[in-house]
Amino acid sequence: AQRVTQPEKLLSVFKGAPVELKCNYSYSGSPELFWYVQYSRQRLQLLLRHISRESIKGFTADLNKGETSFHLKKPFAQEEDSAMYYCALKNTGFQKLVFGTGTRLLVSP
Amino acid sequence: DAGVIQSPRHEVTEMGQEVTLRCKPISGHNSLFWYRQTMMRGLELLIYFNNNVPIDDSGMPEDRFSAKMPNASFSTLKIQPSEPRDSAVYFCASSRNSGSGTDTQYFGPGTRLTVL
Repeated sequence: AQRVTQPEKLLSVFKGAPVELKCNYSYSGSPELFWYVQYSRQRLQLLLRHISRESIKGFTADLNKGETSFHLKKPFAQEEDSAMYYCALKNTGFQKLVFGTGTRLLVSP
Repeated sequence: DAGVIQSPRHEVTEMGQEVTLRCKPISGHNSLFWYRQTMMRGLELLIYFNNNVPIDDSGMPEDRFSAKMPNASFSTLKIQPSEPRDSAVYFCASSRNSGSGTDTQYFGPGTRLTVL
């Protein structure tokens, strides 16, 4: 069965500190991994996907198939990064997304 | 484009009442998804449609829940009868299904349902 695990419900850091939001998954097929973000009073939106290998708002995420992880990283957190972050998985070629329970990132000044 | 539109934004009802949530997808999108968000379980897919046809309803919790998509621009999620444990935020999302499976899902603002 597909499963996405985000072990931290809340991650609190100071501005300028490095951030790593953890995501582990279990899936036997060929997964695609995503990070979605929900800022306060805004809609859930796609932040990045592993196949794009891009950096968005300073965030990067590398798919590690050996460790079945897709951790989200940023070297220097900003206050505007405070939001709810969801890791999600789907089977390549299919549409159904499976989400983790989310991690709330709080960046303090 | 206003994006995915959901109504109502907030709904408070009493146990046993029927609740209908509405969604208008982005024009031109042919896939529509209903999700439920709770503190304990996070975001769960309830059901999704392609070209107005339900494809996967395995996430629908029980027979009290039903969803319809009578046309390409409208979908409803109905709970009858509602129970306090149905209290959650219900999201609708849509995407343009190009067949590649890489299409981005765009989310609505959600409906916060409280069942007393």
